Amino acid sequence: GQSLEQPSEVTAVEGAIVQINCTYQTSGFYGLSWYQQHDGGAPTFLSYNALDGLEETGRFSSFLSRSDSYGYLLLQELQMKDSASYFCAVNELGYKLSFGAGTTVTVRA
Amino acid sequence: NAGVTQTPKFRVLKTGQSMTLLCAQDMNHEYMYWYRQDPGMGLRLIHYSVGEGTTAKGEVPDGYNVSRLKKQNFLLGLESAAPSQTSVYFCASSYERQETQYFGPGTRLLVL
Repeated sequence: GQSLEQPSEVTAVEGAIVQINCTYQTSGFYGLSWYQQHDGGAPTFLSYNALDGLEETGRFSSFLSRSDSYGYLLLQELQMKDSASYFCAVNELGYKLSFGAGTTVTVRA
Repeated sequence: NAGVTQTPKFRVLKTGQSMTLLCAQDMNHEYMYWYRQDPGMGLRLIHYSVGEGTTAKGEVPDGYNVSRLKKQNFLLGLESAAPSQTSVYFCASSYERQETQYFGPGTRLLVL
């Protein structure tokens, strides 16, 4: 089995930096992914960490510490369009994902 | 490329009725997945397929059946719908690099 924990809500102003933490407990681990979902639409892939360290993709970065069973998604230079739900997901058996409950990010002007 | 498409977009069923949700992908992906999403619970895996002709149970398979007769299609069936199956259903597919899943737009199902 698996469990993932992430905060339910985060609010910040435009231009700020937000960090969404994710802790997990799994029986197997291949990597940690992050997905974004706007208003119940299709989730879209943001980033993936298989090894410890930081992965940077534009304004978004993702970090993983396998020894701590912990990762985070960092959103920099927040924009209004970043208001969405963000899900961490563990790749547990190499071919399927288990998702966290999601973090709703609200960006205020 | 249409990516991943789902049919229908929205459906209302009465308890006990049956229906099939269709997922199609044109990216030649081997892996396909069906999830349901309920408020505050994230995405939960119902069934998945690692290739044409194969299916496997996910986290919440009860009350659902699936078939993958063609590589590009993955069908999700509800034989006797229950109000507990009211949800948003997402289909996804992926290449060999399973961490990158491509999702369809979802099917909103209401069971009365």
